[in-house]
Amino acid sequence: DQQVKQNSPSLSVQEGRISILNCDYTNSMFDYFLWYKKYPAEGPTFLISISSIKDKNEDGRFTVFLNKSAKHLSLHIVPSQPGDSAVYFCAASEKNTGNQFYFGTGTSLTVIP
Amino acid sequence: KAGVTQTPRYLIKTRGQQVTLSCSPISGHRSVSWYQQTPGQGLQFLFEYFSETQRNKGNFPGRFSGRQFSNSRSEMNVSTLELGDSALYLCASSLAALNEQFFGPGTRLTVL
Repeated sequence: DQQVKQNSPSLSVQEGRISILNCDYTNSMFDYFLWYKKYPAEGPTFLISISSIKDKNEDGRFTVFLNKSAKHLSLHIVPSQPGDSAVYFCAASEKNTGNQFYFGTGTSLTVIP
Repeated sequence: KAGVTQTPRYLIKTRGQQVTLSCSPISGHRSVSWYQQTPGQGLQFLFEYFSETQRNKGNFPGRFSGRQFSNSRSEMNVSTLELGDSALYLCASSLAALNEQFFGPGTRLTVL
């Protein structure tokens, strides 16, 4: 069963506007979350992470928000750029489980120039 | 610093055969994880090795196995291949637990 879900397979946004990618999870024991970006024919690359002791983490144009009560996290990209067009995966893990990460199915973001 | 390398990049096999995929992590990384990516399923965790020991295992049949060598290089083996094993197999390395994982480009396995 899918413990991490990304319900929007695709998203299109105009250049310069905000992109919001969403992710829901079912396991309340998850306490560490990451976002990855993937271009075709390449492996995923790490974008940003957040632990459950925080509700927000920022890194340049990327901000991740975590709502533990709703078991929901989101990635905001502001402003969106054409080079941001890629597939974005969220992933989650429980403390003390090493690197066993559960990934969502991905959201394909297209930023229109 | 060299990234994670995976060989081969592409592989075509027939049902019933077995296959071995290889992953060389970033120098100094002791954790190697393997994932299977199929359309609509995202990345599914196969297993993680740390210091030559399997530390975690996902929900895959016993046909999927792996090992890690003393230099942290890892291999993944799939025996008695099935059509459904066609996928992109990704390897990721990290320094330690709950650290950023660095992914290789993957091995595209096609089972005919």
